[in-house]
Amino acid sequence: NAGVTQTPKFQVLKTGQSMTLQCAQDMNHNSMYWYRQDPGMGLRLIYYSASEGTTDKGEVPNGYNVSRLNKREFSLRLESAAPSQTSVYFCASSRSGQVNYGYTFGSGTRLTVV
Amino acid sequence: GQQLNQSPQSMFIQEGEDVSMNCTSSSIFNTWLWYKQDPGEGPVLLIALYKAGELTSNGRLTAQFGITRKDSFLNISASIPSDVGIYFCAGPLYGQNFVFGPGTRLSVLP
Repeated sequence: NAGVTQTPKFQVLKTGQSMTLQCAQDMNHNSMYWYRQDPGMGLRLIYYSASEGTTDKGEVPNGYNVSRLNKREFSLRLESAAPSQTSVYFCASSRSGQVNYGYTFGSGTRLTVV
Repeated sequence: GQQLNQSPQSMFIQEGEDVSMNCTSSSIFNTWLWYKQDPGEGPVLLIALYKAGELTSNGRLTAQFGITRKDSFLNISASIPSDVGIYFCAGPLYGQNFVFGPGTRLSVLP
């Protein structure tokens, strides 16, 4: 079982460059999420998609855009990367109506912006 | 915004020792989740709690939903090296989204 797959696992960008982080899940989950993890700050929600065709801002959306391409895929785009976006990014999914049973996370993308 | 606090921030213990950590919130929660993150991996759900006072176990792990509904506790008995990692608590923020605590980093010394 693949679960939630994120690509790439590692990326180094120069300030101002753009890139898209990819995420796909094979569990037929309706809801998908993007979090960033920084030391001592836990996981902070960037954007989420409650269902196919909808996206909403989370706690820290500035500098990011998302696309819910279909039920399986939810991508995160950095249009003009900044050093403050150096972080580990996690994609997660959950079955709507059963979110209290938790999320399934991917293994993360470690992004460094220089 | 909603914040969770976890204590301690980090801990070093000897293999075989018991571990206790807690999580507190400024608001009342109706659900508490505990996750563990292994190095280089995403968090994995350990235990979910749904009722004040509830005590739930998963192997050597036991978690409790605080009576005040503003806190939760996680205990690990007889720690082993594979218990190393970061332990996160999480509670519902709004709708179907969760807020995560900053984590407790556990190191187990042989």
